[in-house]
Amino acid sequence: QVQLVQSGAEVKKPGSSVKVSCKASGGTFSSYTISWVRQAPGQGLEWMGRIIPILGIANYAQKFQGRVTITADKSTSTAYMELSSLRSEDTAVYYCATCTVAGYWYFDLWGRGTLVTVSS
Amino acid sequence: EIVMTQSPATLSVSPGERATLSCRASQSVSSNLAWYQQKPGQAPRLLIYGASTRATGIPARFSGSGSGTEFTLTISSLQSEDFAVYYCQQYNNWWTFGQGTKVEIK
Repeated sequence: QVQLVQSGAEVKKPGSSVKVSCKASGGTFSSYTISWVRQAPGQGLEWMGRIIPILGIANYAQKFQGRVTITADKSTSTAYMELSSLRSEDTAVYYCATCTVAGYWYFDLWGRGTLVTVSS
Repeated sequence: EIVMTQSPATLSVSPGERATLSCRASQSVSSNLAWYQQKPGQAPRLLIYGASTRATGIPARFSGSGSGTEFTLTISSLQSEDFAVYYCQQYNNWWTFGQGTKVEIK
């Protein structure tokens, strides 16, 4: 059964970058679209962008355009989300998520989340 | 961007009672609407997709309805494990979430 395994918590300085990974185990990675969703403390869910690994095409929410880069390595079934120019407001849990049913776009599989703390 | 608005922000309900949560889209999303449940420290869990189809393993007390711009999640008889935050999400035009409804014990 496929799982999404995320990298561990990070503490970063303002102005730096963070790169979070999401490894798909137990499934065919390339057939999925991987999205990234973040959740600031006590706040709601916010879609950041997605990648289609088989095509290598990424799309981003307008809010994050120019600051986020989503990539995928098909050989290791791993997706990455890199966020640059970090500020305190980027402190959040970052989730990767996907739909395991081809042709559908809701998120039925989530990683456990990666806490990114931005602090001087 | 399609804006999703949920109401109420907080719903106080006694165990065994019915809970009705609303979600409105700023433009039509057809039936491309999902509901998620989130408990503290956990990732969201898919409850409903296609506005009204229960995901695998979701109890029958959860039901969804609506299409276009108005949607409802109903929990027919609240159990202790149902007290959580619920989010709607449209996936008709990229993805956006509502701000959530917290269902708390009355």
